[in-house]
Amino acid sequence: DAMVIQNPRYQVTQFGKPVTLSCSQTLNHNVMYWYQQKSSQAPKLLFHYYDKDFNNEADTPDNFQSRRPNTSFCFLDIRSPGLGDAAMYLCATSRDRQRGEYEQYFGPGTRLTVT
Amino acid sequence: AQSVTQLDSQVPVFEEAPVELRCNYSSSVSVYLFWYVQYPNQGLQLLLKYLSGSTLVESINGFEAEFNKSQTSFHLRKPSVHISDTAEYFCAVSTSGSARQLTFGSGTQLTVLP
Repeated sequence: DAMVIQNPRYQVTQFGKPVTLSCSQTLNHNVMYWYQQKSSQAPKLLFHYYDKDFNNEADTPDNFQSRRPNTSFCFLDIRSPGLGDAAMYLCATSRDRQRGEYEQYFGPGTRLTVT
Repeated sequence: AQSVTQLDSQVPVFEEAPVELRCNYSSSVSVYLFWYVQYPNQGLQLLLKYLSGSTLVESINGFEAEFNKSQTSFHLRKPSVHISDTAEYFCAVSTSGSARQLTFGSGTQLTVLP
């Protein structure tokens, strides 16, 4: 089945130690998104890629970076995680909007714990 | 810019009872509306969507939602809930003018009681 895969599902890192979360998709979608979701809150968009075009949200901290080496993979790098960065990180994909498809398809998420 | 309001943060309901989860949106342009469901420690799954056409949309597991333009609402309903419907439900809106973005409501935790 075509899907969005996130690894690992659970990640524990130490305060200040860089961490990378990964996302891959078999849907061949142009657009990939990263969201941060804290407990009992709505997902908050961090940034998205339209093909290789990177789009950062204005309030996304510089501590968060992303890479998309090819259509299928996208990475979220947290350079110096703080305790406030503990959250669920969700990857999502969507087709090119101009084709008339608007919904986003989500992966299962990676729960990040910072100790 | 668009916004979404989910007035009820928690909705407890007994099994086999009907339920309505409320969603109101604000936008100055045409909207596309979605309901997503999230089970514990999982990602979001699309439940149903309104893009155009019939204002009543249905999901495969018995949920339905009606787009009401005059009331700017997209309430989610189910005539008879099951224990397995217990989850967080998010309403979301996208517009033709936004850059491929979804704006989510704050979510409603539906708890179905035996």
